[in-house]
Amino acid sequence: NAGVTQTPKFQVLKTGQSMTLQCAQDMNHEYMSWYRQDPGMGLRLIHYSVGAGITDQGEVPNGYNVSRSTTEDFPLRLLSAAPSQTSVYFCASSSDSISGANVLTFGAGSRLTVL
Amino acid sequence: AQTVTQSQPEMSVQEAETVTLSCTYDTSESDYYLFWYKQPPSRQMILVIRQEAYKQQNATENRFSVNFQKAAKSFSLKISDSQLGDAAMYFCAYRSFSAGGTSYGKLTFGQGTILTVHP
Repeated sequence: NAGVTQTPKFQVLKTGQSMTLQCAQDMNHEYMSWYRQDPGMGLRLIHYSVGAGITDQGEVPNGYNVSRSTTEDFPLRLLSAAPSQTSVYFCASSSDSISGANVLTFGAGSRLTVL
Repeated sequence: AQTVTQSQPEMSVQEAETVTLSCTYDTSESDYYLFWYKQPPSRQMILVIRQEAYKQQNATENRFSVNFQKAAKSFSLKISDSQLGDAAMYFCAYRSFSAGGTSYGKLTFGQGTILTVHP
C-alpha cells in the first residue's frame, strides 16, 4: 500500500500565482485533512473532510480551497499565493475502523515557498 | 477551543539515558484522545503512542511510555534507553471524542520539542 501520497514535494511560487497540492490515499479512509506546519507553531488544521462531497474549515482556512469528489482524493488549492503561505503542508487520513480508530496516517509533506 | 502547550522547545539526552518530554493541554471535555507524534529529519509524521482519556492506565509502547495526569491536564512522554534514532521533533496532540466521528482527523498540536540524542 502506498498510504497517503502528496505531490509535489517541493514548490516555489510567486505572489499571486495559484496552485494545487494533490493528496491521494489508497486505504479507503473516510476522513482526510490538511495541516500546515510552521516553526514554533506546530501543525494547524486548514480544512478537513468526513467523506466524499463533505468538507469543512479548520483553524486556518483563509486563502485555501478544498473539494472531495472521491474518497481517495483531497486536493488543496491556493487561489492567490501569498508569502504568509510559505510553509510545509501535510495531508492526513484516518478511519473509524476499530483497529485504526483515531490514528492519522500522514503524507510525506509538501514544502511550499512563496516569493 | 482546546490548546496544547509544549514548554520545552529543545531537549537533549545521552544515549541509553532516559528523557521526559512535557505536554499540557486545556479542555473542558471529559472524553478525548492524546497522542505523541515523532517527526525525524525526513519530515514524516510517525505515531509514537496514544492515550484514551477514559483509561486510567498509562499507555506504553516498548521504550516509550506516558504519564497521563487527567486532573492536571498533563501528558508527558518518557523515552527510556534513548537511541540515536530517537532524535527528532516530538509533537503532542489532542483530539476530541466524537461518537459520530465528526472530530476524526481534527487534531490540535503543540509547538513541538526538538530532541537531540548525544552518543
